[in-house]
Amino acid sequence: GQNIDQPTEMTATEGAIVQINCTYQTSGFNGLFWYQQHAGEAPTFLSYNVLDGLEEKGRFSSFLSRSKGYSYLLLKELQMKDSASYLCAVRDRGGYNKLIFGAGTRLAVHP
Amino acid sequence: ETGVTQTPRHLVMGMTNKKSLKCEQHLGHNAMYWYKQSAKKPLELMFVYNFKEQTENNSVPSRFSPECPNSSHLFLHLHTLQPEDSALYLCASSQVRQGADTEAFFGQGTRLTVV
Repeated sequence: GQNIDQPTEMTATEGAIVQINCTYQTSGFNGLFWYQQHAGEAPTFLSYNVLDGLEEKGRFSSFLSRSKGYSYLLLKELQMKDSASYLCAVRDRGGYNKLIFGAGTRLAVHP
Repeated sequence: ETGVTQTPRHLVMGMTNKKSLKCEQHLGHNAMYWYKQSAKKPLELMFVYNFKEQTENNSVPSRFSPECPNSSHLFLHLHTLQPEDSALYLCASSQVRQGADTEAFFGQGTRLTVV
């Protein structure tokens, strides 16, 4: 079966660091994506990992361990505008760029 | 316009109505997708089109009927829907190429309410 787990909700303080975890058990794996989705808006791409290790893009970093079926998204220097849902998605090996999503983590950033 | 645009943004329809959702991508991609996003549930892949050919139908009920007339346009025709079909319907596109697929780009979605 296909299973992607991430916490439902998290809260953090402006200026702090937060780590959002994602674990997956899928029949195939061809990369892992993180998307950000503000309420009522389109999901937007944040990061992509296909090999083990850390990918850094400004305030956002994402880590992957394929042997553990585990990824995290690290957000530094949190801003109020980072309040959003963060979606973890695994690309299926079957081709055509099909994505299997987790239910998303709703992050609330407080002053 | 750039990116992926969807119309309408909001739609309320009765269970006996017929309506269509429209999606257009201006990115030159060769693959388009319909996803369903229900409250507190993961995005569910419904249909995949690659070069206008449907390559995936994820056990979607026949009351949802996709159409892809060309690689830039995608429709979702709706008829005799049920209240549980109320959700956000997201369209996406990507460039599929051997070993180097791009990330998926999403539209803002159509918020559908079935009454």
